Amino acid sequence: GAGVSQSPSNKVTEKGKDVELRCDPISGHTALYWYRQSLGQGLEFLIYFQGNSAPDKSGLPSDRFSAERTGGSVSTLTIQRTQQEDSAVYLCASSRIPTANTEAFFGQGTRLTVV
Amino acid sequence: GQQVMQIPQYQHVQEGEDFTTYCNSSTTLSNIQWYKQRPGGHPVFLIQLVKSGEVKKQKRLTFQFGEAKKNSSLHITATQTTDVGTYFCAVGAGGTSYGKLTFGQGTILTVHP
Repeated sequence: GAGVSQSPSNKVTEKGKDVELRCDPISGHTALYWYRQSLGQGLEFLIYFQGNSAPDKSGLPSDRFSAERTGGSVSTLTIQRTQQEDSAVYLCASSRIPTANTEAFFGQGTRLTVV
Repeated sequence: GQQVMQIPQYQHVQEGEDFTTYCNSSTTLSNIQWYKQRPGGHPVFLIQLVKSGEVKKQKRLTFQFGEAKKNSSLHITATQTTDVGTYFCAVGAGGTSYGKLTFGQGTILTVHP
């Protein structure tokens, strides 16, 4: 595609429900990153993929968070039993090669609100 | 993992004044990237620095990479209201986390007309 696409753009969910956030990276981009950004805060690293594998999952806040990537393309971030502190904007980015030496392109983000 | 400290956290300037944000690392960096995030938007890549002592310019923006490759700065000359936003530096990790891109805390710039 022309850019990184994330869906939904906004999600309001009740505490305790599960949510799935989707990221469709730029075609051909090998690396895919997930970040979380709370209001007025920085970018908190969650996980990144090289192809379909995730070399570093250290940023996932708890075992309620998981992510997968299939076919070296689309990625899904799943949050189980959502809590109010999960409310944030979840940003996905992709880059052409997984060396952190190339520009990362960001999607518009999914704004998650847990009520 | 790779960590960078970015200062200041906030900067308020009058239009026409200069602005600088700094990123510092305790370890030598292979490269550093800079991004800008407009209010309500997503981060957008500005530039990447790779060489020791490198200086790059983009119109009113000047980017520097320290001689020891442990620090970097972004300087904006004569700020304009269009410069408003959050500026982030980002660094890559090595070892088993090769490819991981970690961002500094960001500097929020406001420009008063």
